[in-house]
Amino acid sequence: SYVLTQPPSVSVAPATTATITCGGNHIGSKSVHWYQQKPGQAPVLVIYYDNDRPSGIPARFSGSNSGNTATLTISWVEAGDEADYYCQVWDSSIDGGVFGGGTKLTVL
Amino acid sequence: QVHLQESGPGLVKPSETLSLRCTVSGGSISTHPWSWIRQSAGKGLEWIGRVSTSGRTSYNPSLMSRVMLSIDPSKSQFSLTMTSLTAADTAVYFCARIGIRDAYKEFFDFWGRGTPVIVSA
Repeated sequence: SYVLTQPPSVSVAPATTATITCGGNHIGSKSVHWYQQKPGQAPVLVIYYDNDRPSGIPARFSGSNSGNTATLTISWVEAGDEADYYCQVWDSSIDGGVFGGGTKLTVL
Repeated sequence: QVHLQESGPGLVKPSETLSLRCTVSGGSISTHPWSWIRQSAGKGLEWIGRVSTSGRTSYNPSLMSRVMLSIDPSKSQFSLTMTSLTAADTAVYFCARIGIRDAYKEFFDFWGRGTPVIVSA
């Protein structure tokens, strides 16, 4: 089935911009969704359909998707953004969800 | 606000069958499809399967020989049954609502808190 590749970790200083990538074959032709997961908690949807934000998610979170790479961008990073982030697409060949391996965001 | 709550045994013996239930409140179980997703300790998320009141189901190919999902609209519940458990099935199991705007571009917009399952003798 479809494979999504994320960097294991990203580290940034507070008030800077964090960029988390999600690679996949022609991923630009799919819709990419992003989840934030803090320790001991369930994942929370932060971006859907490449760049839409659910209600309650700050505008600091944005996304883009083109070619073979989708990107989650977090501007003005705060300590509270420290979490694992997962990208996800729906694979029509299995009619199911596929997740990337996750990226641990560390705020220095 | 939709709320999902998982329930089931926390400990299962190897080779036995796991049964988990997810109870949906705050919304109709008939308006969306639903999924089970699991996460082993320190690992990523693994989609298990999808079920809906329309009868459409689908499963992760790596698990489909051991997994069955069902749904009971009268109780606002959907369930996971997994057979022939091994230690590799030890994980936190989440139930989630599937959000749809376009077909085959689904996402998971509401999640339960997750229930830990340990497979051990």
